[in-house]
Amino acid sequence: GNSVTQMEGPVTLSEEAFLTINCTYTATGYPSLFWYVQYPGEGLQLLLKATKADDKGSNKGFEATYRKETTSFHLEKGSVQVSDSAVYFCALRPLSGGSNYKLTFGKGTLLTVNP
Amino acid sequence: DAGVIQSPRHEVTEMGQEVTLRCKPISGHDYLFWYRQTMMRGLELLIYFNNNVPIDDSGMPEDRFSAKMPNASFSTLKIQPSEPRDSAVYFCASSFQGSYEQYFGPGTRLTVT
Repeated sequence: GNSVTQMEGPVTLSEEAFLTINCTYTATGYPSLFWYVQYPGEGLQLLLKATKADDKGSNKGFEATYRKETTSFHLEKGSVQVSDSAVYFCALRPLSGGSNYKLTFGKGTLLTVNP
Repeated sequence: DAGVIQSPRHEVTEMGQEVTLRCKPISGHDYLFWYRQTMMRGLELLIYFNNNVPIDDSGMPEDRFSAKMPNASFSTLKIQPSEPRDSAVYFCASSFQGSYEQYFGPGTRLTVT
């Protein structure tokens, strides 16, 4: 079956530090890959996506590149802000099949950024 | 647009009671998803609908859980009878054909004592 493994948190950084959150996946074929973010007390929001190998998704200074050879989709940001404090979820969606709209999520990584 | 609306935002109930969670998807969206989030198990898909029809309910934990979507603008998730292990945050999300994004509601925090 499909699965997503992301690094366990919590991750604590100082403002302007570099961020990496690792994510690897197991799936048949070529799934679409996503990063969702959950701010305290809110639902998840799509942060970025990539739909095919070597695609780079980017938004709000965050980036992630779809690496088929390593089945990875690591999230990076060059300089984090206090407002980036949230839980980050890596997710995949199969390319085709009866469950095409079914997302599989990782466990989530809590990021805390201190001033 | 108002986004996905869920009610109530918080629910505290006693074991054995019936609980009904409600969701209004974004207008025009034809997919609706129910998720459960706990510290131990993370985010789990319970069931999803397309055009009001249940497509995949393999994540529904047991017969105590049921979900309905009587029309395009309303869905319910019911737990009867509730148990303490059902305590979690329940999210509803909606999407539309061809979209990669699911739009999440703010969630309902359920506590069963």
